[in-house]
Amino acid sequence: KAGVTQTPRYLIKTRGQQVTLSCSPISGHRSVSWYQQTPGQGLQFLFEYFSETQRNKGNFPGRFSGRQFSNSRSEMNVSTLELGDSALYLCASSTGHEFGTEAFFGQGTRLTVV
Amino acid sequence: SQQGEEDPQALSIQEGENATMNCSYKTSINNLQWYRQNSGRGLVHLILIRSNEREKHSGRLRVTLDTSKKSSSLLITASRAADTASYFCATDVIQGAQKLVFGQGTRLTINP
Repeated sequence: KAGVTQTPRYLIKTRGQQVTLSCSPISGHRSVSWYQQTPGQGLQFLFEYFSETQRNKGNFPGRFSGRQFSNSRSEMNVSTLELGDSALYLCASSTGHEFGTEAFFGQGTRLTVV
Repeated sequence: SQQGEEDPQALSIQEGENATMNCSYKTSINNLQWYRQNSGRGLVHLILIRSNEREKHSGRLRVTLDTSKKSSSLLITASRAADTASYFCATDVIQGAQKLVFGQGTRLTINP
């Protein structure tokens, strides 16, 4: 079974630009959640999608948005990039059972904003 | 904000020794998961323990959960150099949604 695939692996963007990151979950998994990892703040939850619906959202500004497609693949978009958005962005795939199941992570996308 | 605190923040031991990492959290949980991360790469899932479980084993890993103390521990027995990594606990706190709240992690170094 293929794991969670995130593309691209690395990105360099300029302040003010926007960026779209992609995540393909494990086959059969309907939940995709996104996390930001920085040295200062650690791992922080961005949002979770289940069957194309956002079920939960973290405490991030509206510049961070996402969506999920009918095949469960998800995209995350960050608009008007700031230097502080430089981070490792990780997505996690799970079955989405209401009482929680294992969440499996991709290798991440390393975003650098210059 | 972080749900959990991990202790110690860094741990250095000799190969073959056992490593114990602790995690404390603040609110009620559905389950608690442990992950390993090597040098800024993706998180590798190690083990999930549910709130009604007290102990789980997987190979050289042993996880305990004490919901009355809101704490968990991860024991790695007979450590190997390849175990060198950062270890995170993550609590799943919301029913009906997948949202993990992570601790700051323990940096484990295994010396040959």
